[in-house]
Amino acid sequence: NAGVTQTPKFQVLKTGQSMTLQCAQDMNHEYMSWYRQDPGMGLRLIHYSVGAGITDQGEVPNGYNVSRSTTEDFPLRLLSAAPSQTSVYFCASSLSGGVPNEQFFGPGTRLTVL
Amino acid sequence: AQSVTQLGSHVSVSEGALVLLRCNYSSSVPPYLFWYVQYPNQGLQLLLKYTTGATLVKGINGFEAEFKKSETSFHLTKPSAHMSDAAEYFCAVTSLQDFRSSNTGKLIFGQGTTLQVKP
Repeated sequence: NAGVTQTPKFQVLKTGQSMTLQCAQDMNHEYMSWYRQDPGMGLRLIHYSVGAGITDQGEVPNGYNVSRSTTEDFPLRLLSAAPSQTSVYFCASSLSGGVPNEQFFGPGTRLTVL
Repeated sequence: AQSVTQLGSHVSVSEGALVLLRCNYSSSVPPYLFWYVQYPNQGLQLLLKYTTGATLVKGINGFEAEFKKSETSFHLTKPSAHMSDAAEYFCAVTSLQDFRSSNTGKLIFGQGTTLQVKP
């Protein structure tokens, strides 16, 4: 199993540009989520999905869109990049099943918006 | 609402010394508590978790944590630090009630503590 994979590893954008961060998992996990990590603030939840076709907002959703057309993939779209979106982005997945389970994290995407 | 506070953004210990990383939580319902470790330029990896039952939880790499309800704490310890333990550590909380109401498994993370191990 590859686990949770993310592409790209690094990205530099100009203000106003759009892009999609890719996330895929091969563990057949129902639950997937996107976090951003900023110094001194830990990880904050952007969006999450409890299964294909179902998504919802997390703590900091503004400026981001997601979709979940398959169990495996959960892309994160930045509609119009802003410098405040400079961060490290992590995708995570876990099984559902009645109790909170361990979340498996991808290696992250380091995004810089100029 | 749930929250997590990690006391000390940086902790420095000598190799072989005790590691103690502090985590206090706030939750109106019984919490599920987690410690994750992040090595440089990598994603997060689960160290250990507390759900129900025994309050002393053992994890990987010799780490353990004790759930103390009266103190709302879940401090992480390791008897003897190794150079390879240098990393950032995150405490996180959720609850069965939140999980069942939303089926989301959302985690609330603390700010993180960077552990430095000196030779």
